[in-house]
Amino acid sequence: DTGVSQNPRHKITKRGQNVTFRCDPISEHNRLYWYRQTLGQGPEFLTYFQNEAQLEKSRLLSDRFSAERPKGSFSTLEIQRTEQGDSAMYLCASSVQGNEQFFGPGTRLTVL
Amino acid sequence: EDQVTQSPEALRLQEGESSSLNCSYTVSGLRGLFWYRQDPGKGPEFLFTLYSAGEEKEKERLKATLTKKESFLHITAPKPEDSATYLCAPLSGGSYIPTFGRGTSLIVHP
Repeated sequence: DTGVSQNPRHKITKRGQNVTFRCDPISEHNRLYWYRQTLGQGPEFLTYFQNEAQLEKSRLLSDRFSAERPKGSFSTLEIQRTEQGDSAMYLCASSVQGNEQFFGPGTRLTVL
Repeated sequence: EDQVTQSPEALRLQEGESSSLNCSYTVSGLRGLFWYRQDPGKGPEFLFTLYSAGEEKEKERLKATLTKKESFLHITAPKPEDSATYLCAPLSGGSYIPTFGRGTSLIVHP
């Protein structure tokens, strides 16, 4: 399968714990994006990378969120000190330059 | 600030009953508009990119069109497997990040 993959698919954690998600993009795609989606809403932009450089972060992104793409391939998204409001589907997408984005299956986070 | 409104929020159709979904947008210098299909619990699946007013694209029972202020997704003779949420996302000239609408939830009854 050469699509975007995300792990884990589901994560249940207690409030205050740290969580980390991984995204593996389509291999030839140089751009990688992270989104958050809650029920009944469209995907909300969090941050994006071109190769290993993080070029943009949403103004709404809390300091508890951090993302990396160390070698321009896979990326990780970490949420520190999780809160119940962080419960959502976290989506990763990749693209070639500014063209259409291809999404992974998402990671469903539940914070108890 | 870029804005996107999709209507209706939800649509129920009988199998074979054609209809259209609307995406109204306000963006600075549209560079393109994406349509996606999303099944429950899954990531969005890319359908179309439209770049300029008057452009149309088709895929099976779906046809997407674009004007300067709106895009339409026409569904001809839908089948139950077309049931999903359809998202539109315009891309403004000054950004590489599309703005997603809230989607239209389509249910097609057999």
